[in-house]
Amino acid sequence: DSGVTQTPKHLITATGQRVTLRCSPRSGDLSVYWYQQSLDQGLQFLIQYYNGEERAKGNILERFSAQQFPDLHSELNLSSLELGDSALYFCASSRQGGSNQPQHFGDGTRLSIL
Amino acid sequence: GESVGLHLPTLSVQEGDNSIINCAYSNSASDYFIWYKQESGKGPQFIIDIRSNMDKRQGQRVTVLLNKTVKHLSLQIAATQPGDSAVYFCAEKGEAGTALIFGKGTTLSVSS
Repeated sequence: DSGVTQTPKHLITATGQRVTLRCSPRSGDLSVYWYQQSLDQGLQFLIQYYNGEERAKGNILERFSAQQFPDLHSELNLSSLELGDSALYFCASSRQGGSNQPQHFGDGTRLSIL
Repeated sequence: GESVGLHLPTLSVQEGDNSIINCAYSNSASDYFIWYKQESGKGPQFIIDIRSNMDKRQGQRVTVLLNKTVKHLSLQIAATQPGDSAVYFCAEKGEAGTALIFGKGTTLSVSS
């Protein structure tokens, strides 16, 4: 158990809809990262937050947004969903915001767009 | 662009054998590398990491080797067990500075 909690585990919705994925980092970790895993693209970094502030952006679509709250949990919002958004979405956390430290992953949310 | 790749998509070994999973990276400026294990239905699980000022690092039954000259990373698993069956990913620190860039993974199958 990594200590990172993601909810829900599975989400099934339709095109055009909006969903919110939730992540609670490990106790004491200040930084949260979101990744998308699909069969054709592998694990792709989306966005990072550190202590409530956006720290880095990766291949995140404009339809997607995230935030980190004062209690350090984070939410990833996906809107105007398309079939191609079907994927596993992982949250990871690390103690600080620097990169020379391991990121610990949750078990993901599987998003299926019908 | 930067990328982290693996030499073999699959590796099959017998229980008790030593396994070696290889990874080639392209960003010579990377100074941090990490190996993850991902089992079906689970998230990537941290195995071991190494900084670029080291050539070798050992953990419990695992060793990571870093060859910066040829930009090559390997994970050695001693006395491989059926529970080691999973997909293994190498990752390097990306140019963004904080994100990890993942390779496509090697599926390790251990038969008893």
